[in-house]
Amino acid sequence: DAGVTQSPTHLIKTRGQQVTLRCSPKSGHDTVSWYQQALGQGPQFIFQYYEEEERQRGNFPDRFSGHQFPNYSSELNVNALLLGDSALYLCASSFRQGNQPQHFGDGTRLSIL
Amino acid sequence: QQQVKQSPQSLIVQKGGISIINCAYENTAFDYFPWYQQFPGKGPALLIAIRPDVSEKKEGRFTISFNKSAKQFSLHIMDSQPGDSATYFCAASGANDYKLSFGAGTTVTVRA
Repeated sequence: DAGVTQSPTHLIKTRGQQVTLRCSPKSGHDTVSWYQQALGQGPQFIFQYYEEEERQRGNFPDRFSGHQFPNYSSELNVNALLLGDSALYLCASSFRQGNQPQHFGDGTRLSIL
Repeated sequence: QQQVKQSPQSLIVQKGGISIINCAYENTAFDYFPWYQQFPGKGPALLIAIRPDVSEKKEGRFTISFNKSAKQFSLHIMDSQPGDSATYFCAASGANDYKLSFGAGTTVTVRA
């Protein structure tokens, strides 16, 4: 039973570029959430997707956008990259009903030069 | 504004000792309190979780204690082992608010 898988594992970009990160949820899960984890800090909620719609959003600018596909996989897009966007981006999947546990992938390490 | 406050920032414990990590929250709408364990280069792994209808939950060497009136919960790691050396995060979410709010993390080092 595959867990949450994310790609790529590492990515290096320069300021102003755009990036797309991908996530496949754990089998049986229908909800995907994205988090940003800066070095030495706890993960911060970006947004959550369910039934292909953004259901909740954290305190992140519109440069951060996402998408969920019919097979429940998801993408996180970040435009106009800033140095401060350097972080570990984590995807978590869960089953929507009843506020069920969220299971995380190993993340994508994004470095902005 | 951090909704979940975690302490200590780091701790060192001898092998076989007890590690205790504390968290406090303000949002009374929170009704789910998980703990995650994270190793370097890995994502957080769900360790144990509790809902406010119980005051304690134990799974193996890991125990959560929950005090609803004080709005505090804690993780106890009994018989700590070197393999337990990791960063631990407490988190919370609400019944109709599925996002997890995380504490800042506690780095636990277990000395052999």
